[in-house]
Amino acid sequence: AQTVTQSQPEMSVQEAETVTLSCTYDTSESDYYLFWYKQPPSRQMILVIRQEAYKQQNATENRFSVNFQKAAKSFSLKISDSQLGDAAMYFCAWRQGGSEKLVFGKGTKLTVNP
Amino acid sequence: ETGVTQTPRHLVMGMTNKKSLKCEQHLGHNAMYWYKQSAKKPLELMFVYSLEERVENNSVPSRFSPECPNSSHLFLHLHTLQPEDSALYLCASSQQTFGTGPEKLFFGSGTQLSVL
Repeated sequence: AQTVTQSQPEMSVQEAETVTLSCTYDTSESDYYLFWYKQPPSRQMILVIRQEAYKQQNATENRFSVNFQKAAKSFSLKISDSQLGDAAMYFCAWRQGGSEKLVFGKGTKLTVNP
Repeated sequence: ETGVTQTPRHLVMGMTNKKSLKCEQHLGHNAMYWYKQSAKKPLELMFVYSLEERVENNSVPSRFSPECPNSSHLFLHLHTLQPEDSALYLCASSQQTFGTGPEKLFFGSGTQLSVL
């Protein structure tokens, strides 16, 4: 079974600094997608960034970027210039190509200190 | 309204009660989902509806019964629940291209359910 592991239950960062959240996954599939979702206290999950496994180039979205290491099955999220509004739970997720099902990790709680 | 709206926001029910959770999406999407978020566990997919037909039932107990009357509305009917069913129930929607899976899920704010 496919699994997604987030080894850091909690992380903290100073405002304006950079933080990296870790994610590893286990799959034998070659066609898949990886995601980072953010869940603020409002509880509404929001997509932060998405990566297709067949793309070697790391995805970026403004201050958010990923380090996708396919051979190592690693998909870390880097948040640059952290802002107070970045404080949230962050979930890494995996989906097989063509499948409806997202497999989520347990999440990392990010605290941003002023 | 925009996005995905879930009601009620909070729900407390006894084990013998029957209640329903409602989800409405205003995004014109063609697929809707129920996810369960329990404390200290990963989010779990419960049901998927694509074009109003159920395409995935992720081994969910029969005390949870979904209903999708149209592409904008999704319900989760609850009866004779157990205390371990207490969780945050999240609804999501997506616009799917057939056979490729959802590119992006749009979530509601969830219903926090407590079963006494």
